[in-house]
Amino acid sequence: DAKTTQPNSMESNEEEPVHLPCNHSTISGTDYIHWYRQLPSQGPEYVIHGLTSNVNNRMASLAIAEDRKSSTLILHRATLRDAAVYYCILRDDGGATNKLIFGTGTLLAVQP
Amino acid sequence: DAGVIQSPRHEVTEMGQEVTLRCKPISGHNSLFWYRQTMMRGLELLIYFNNNVPIDDSGMPEDRFSAKMPNASFSTLKIQPSEPRDSAVYFCASSFRGRAVSDTQYFGPGTRLTVL
Repeated sequence: DAKTTQPNSMESNEEEPVHLPCNHSTISGTDYIHWYRQLPSQGPEYVIHGLTSNVNNRMASLAIAEDRKSSTLILHRATLRDAAVYYCILRDDGGATNKLIFGTGTLLAVQP
Repeated sequence: DAGVIQSPRHEVTEMGQEVTLRCKPISGHNSLFWYRQTMMRGLELLIYFNNNVPIDDSGMPEDRFSAKMPNASFSTLKIQPSEPRDSAVYFCASSFRGRAVSDTQYFGPGTRLTVL
């Protein structure tokens, strides 16, 4: 599985945008970029995923670099509830396996 | 939908005892995953099933661990005998893998296991 690199931690202020980076220089052409987050004392939850084009949903936006070697998860207005560990994961969604391999993620702290 | 249901939510046991963790996936889902999370090792995939069949158990730490999925609505993860190093939060997740390329995994609330 291709590896991702994320900062260990980041801080943000409430109601400000947050840009969470992820580097994946060894991404293959069939790897999708998935983002999950884990709130304190809860199981991980899906945030967003994409292949090549930028993606938007009600939770966040995903900006994917043109060469696909990096991506950025964008929370447009951080709230205290967004404090969590954010995981960037690559998966070959067209392949034989649908498992996710979690790394260490980025711990996002949101200050009021 | 109630989401993925795990039981018990907390389990405290003594070393050497058998522990059974239970999971009910979301109705209609055909993939089920067992994960373990510790501070030292993070979130690790132990085993996963597609259509009730184990596909990849390479993450199962040793023979003391076993998992079954007798039907589409129930799975168990058993540890026998348990050891203090098995103390962790165990998550179950399910997804529907169909014609769409990507499937989303939905996680349960986890079972916090403490082995004394």
